[in-house]
Amino acid sequence: GAGVSQSPSNKVTEKGKDVELRCDPISGHTALYWYRQSLGQGLEFLIYFQGNSAPDKSGLPSDRFSAERTGGSVSTLTIQRTQQEDSAVYLCASSLPGNTEAFFGQGTRLTVV
Amino acid sequence: GNSVTQMEGPVTLSEEAFLTINCTYTATGYPSLFWYVQYPGEGLQLLLKATKADDKGSNKGFEATYRKETTSFHLEKGSVQVSDSAVYFCALSDAGFQKLVFGTGTRLLVSP
Repeated sequence: GAGVSQSPSNKVTEKGKDVELRCDPISGHTALYWYRQSLGQGLEFLIYFQGNSAPDKSGLPSDRFSAERTGGSVSTLTIQRTQQEDSAVYLCASSLPGNTEAFFGQGTRLTVV
Repeated sequence: GNSVTQMEGPVTLSEEAFLTINCTYTATGYPSLFWYVQYPGEGLQLLLKATKADDKGSNKGFEATYRKETTSFHLEKGSVQVSDSAVYFCALSDAGFQKLVFGTGTRLLVSP
């Protein structure tokens, strides 16, 4: 595709519900990253994929968070039993292998009420 | 671990003023350094980068020089415009480019 696509753009969910956030990277980009941007905070790294494997999951805040990537393309970030502190903008980025530039999507704004 | 520290905002300037946004980093090895910009209502986009010491990245009139001796990558522009109003993020990546580590961002407000 032309750019990194994320869906939904906005999601409001009730506390305790599960949510799935989707990222469709640029075609041919084997590296994929998830970040979280909270109000007043910087960009927090969550997880990195190279192909379908995730060599670095160190940023996932708790076991309620998980992510997968299939076919070396689309990735899904799942948050189980959402809490109010999960409210943030979730950003996805992709890059070519070994390339130093990451391209970001517009993000999914998650609000837990 | 790797970290990035940048000056807190907001930075408020008049059009045509000189801009400096400070950024310092802590890293092992030789990271690549980046400035990303987020315009209102838009996604993050790469502004400029430098991959080794003494490299100067430049784009759209903005410049930053990779200074290993001071572990800094300060962003400068000689004459800002209203359209430069945005949030600017300094970032580094490790040698394997497995993840970008970002600073907290600096909001720039330019008034006519």
